[in-house]
Amino acid sequence: DIQMTQSPSTLSASVGDRVTITCRASQSISSWLAWYQLKPGKAPNLLIYKASSLESGVPSRFSGSGSGTEFTLTISSLQPDDFATYYCQQYNSYYPEITFGQGTRLEIK
Amino acid sequence: EVQLVQSGAEVKKPGESLKISCKGSGYRFTTHWIGWVRQMPGKGLEWMGIIYPDDSDTRYSPSFEGQVTISVDNSISTAYLQWRSLKASDTAIYYCARGSYYFDQWGQGTQVTVSS
Repeated sequence: DIQMTQSPSTLSASVGDRVTITCRASQSISSWLAWYQLKPGKAPNLLIYKASSLESGVPSRFSGSGSGTEFTLTISSLQPDDFATYYCQQYNSYYPEITFGQGTRLEIK
Repeated sequence: EVQLVQSGAEVKKPGESLKISCKGSGYRFTTHWIGWVRQMPGKGLEWMGIIYPDDSDTRYSPSFEGQVTISVDNSISTAYLQWRSLKASDTAIYYCARGSYYFDQWGQGTQVTVSS
């Protein structure tokens, strides 16, 4: 199984800050990585797919990069609506398993 | 507008059966994979399995194979997640989501609570 490790687990930041979340795969997944935003009581939201492609409708302050085993999600200037939990997900090993990182909680400093 | 609308919260006892639903609208339901994802209390996301409505091709995560059943009813554009005998450890939020490799639309989640 491919394991996904996110860091940090919790991140404290202020509105306007630039933040970066890292996701590492236990083996190469090429660029087969997605990022999601989760808020309590709401449907999860796809932000990035194929490591760096911005999903339609997602603000341009979100960006993704990386390939192989190391990936990053960057928010260029935090907005109040961005405080949430973020998950990476690999889809290289479609059969038999898709796996998520353990999540990064972004909280207000 | 593409939407996935899930059935409401459930409270069940251990050993009971349950079937929750996910109704798609705003797109051709039969030609997009639908997946199910679990989020246990205070935990992260776990991929459970996926189904292609057009031919009911279904793939399960090894962690969930034999524990749940994923199905569809194309006449009403609805996917299902089913348990024959619930356990307390099935307490979680369950999300349906559209897609095969990554998920571009998600349902709002169904809270399932299993308690005696």
